[in-house]
Amino acid sequence: AQSVSQHNHHVILSEAASLELGCNYSYGGTVNLFWYVQYPGQHLQLLLKYFSGDPLVKGIKGFEAEFIKSKFSFNLRKPSVQWSDTAEYFCAVTGGGSYIPTFGRGTSLIVHP
Amino acid sequence: SAVISQKPSRDICQRGTSLTIQCQVDSQVTMMFWYRQQPGQSLTLIATANQGSEATYESGFVIDKFPISRPNLTFSTLTVSNMSPEDSSIYLCSAQSTRTDTQYFGPGTRLTVL
Repeated sequence: AQSVSQHNHHVILSEAASLELGCNYSYGGTVNLFWYVQYPGQHLQLLLKYFSGDPLVKGIKGFEAEFIKSKFSFNLRKPSVQWSDTAEYFCAVTGGGSYIPTFGRGTSLIVHP
Repeated sequence: SAVISQKPSRDICQRGTSLTIQCQVDSQVTMMFWYRQQPGQSLTLIATANQGSEATYESGFVIDKFPISRPNLTFSTLTVSNMSPEDSSIYLCSAQSTRTDTQYFGPGTRLTVL
């Protein structure tokens, strides 16, 4: 079965710091990769996704993620975080014949102003 | 993208009662799903809601506890039956237009069972 690991469960940063959240998955075949964000009191929103093509994907609000197939990774990055980026971030993967995403445990990001 | 609404947004219920959560999508979608999200944890898929037939449940979830209906391509309900405090959670509806498309989520229903 597919599994998704988010190694950072809680991250605390100051504004303007750089962010990188790790995501690793277990399946070795063709995958689709997603990052979702859940702001406090709001519902899950798609931040960015990778289906094919350029492995560096740019999403909303200045976020980007890089698909590194050899490392089974899809890490999320932002060069300079803002207080408004405080949220829960979930990595998700589909593949192996399943179109239903497997979600990671989530990373709670707190950005101090 | 699909816009998904859920009702109720939150409820507080007594042990032993049942609650039905409604999910409405603004466009016809192939697939609808129900998830549970417990505090500090990831999303757990409960079942896939199939239009016109019985839902497909994941391991650990059964129809008697979580009956699901999907009468058409834009609407589904999830009932949490004979509730206990362990059922306190956020229940999320999601939809996906095709097998290769992105999954979109509703705002969730926050359920507290006393």
